[in-house]
Amino acid sequence: ILNVEQSPQSLHVQEGDSTNFTCSFPSSNFYALHWYRWETAKSPEALFVMTLNGDEKKKGRISATLNTKEGYSYLYIKGSQPEDSATYLCAFGRSSNTGKLIFGQGTTLQVKP
Amino acid sequence: SQTIHQWPATLVQPVGSPLSLECTVEGTSNPNLYWYRQAAGRGLQLLFYSVGIGQISSEVPQNLSASRPQDRQFILSSKKLLLSDSGFYLCAWRQGAGYTFGSGTRLTVV
Repeated sequence: ILNVEQSPQSLHVQEGDSTNFTCSFPSSNFYALHWYRWETAKSPEALFVMTLNGDEKKKGRISATLNTKEGYSYLYIKGSQPEDSATYLCAFGRSSNTGKLIFGQGTTLQVKP
Repeated sequence: SQTIHQWPATLVQPVGSPLSLECTVEGTSNPNLYWYRQAAGRGLQLLFYSVGIGQISSEVPQNLSASRPQDRQFILSSKKLLLSDSGFYLCAWRQGAGYTFGSGTRLTVV
């Protein structure tokens, strides 16, 4: 059974705080690691797709790192804003042919003004 | 432009009734398509995927089925819904290394 674990399950921070989440995934047969941002009543929005060990990606105040050898990825948010409140999902992909993704349960972030 | 449509947005169905959820994509051909479900308190779980017309792979045994009658159409069905089929259903389309999701269907079986 392939498991993708995310921690923490939920997080409450004050506006301006920086925060980070963890995604753990199987380190064998790695193809890609995805991060999504999911707001209630909306579609998950793609943040990053990372394929290479040591990858670092950045989008505004959000960045992510990838370690495929030990099977983890970190997502960082610098200076959190209330509009960052959402559930952040990571997903692990093993195959480029089928494109199947295994999702973690997500980390729900609440940023208080 | 490339878009994905999913409907209906919400659905309340009695136990034992049939189900049909539809997903269509525009602006591409021969896409890989996926149905995911989020049950209460759980993460997104892959139910079915399709790499082409008439080609369906099932990931977990369940009360649901999927069909792909046309290149850009993916349908999720059930003949008789169970209470445990309640959840949030998402259709997704693979674009290169990334995915685009539909807006989802909230299904409540009562």
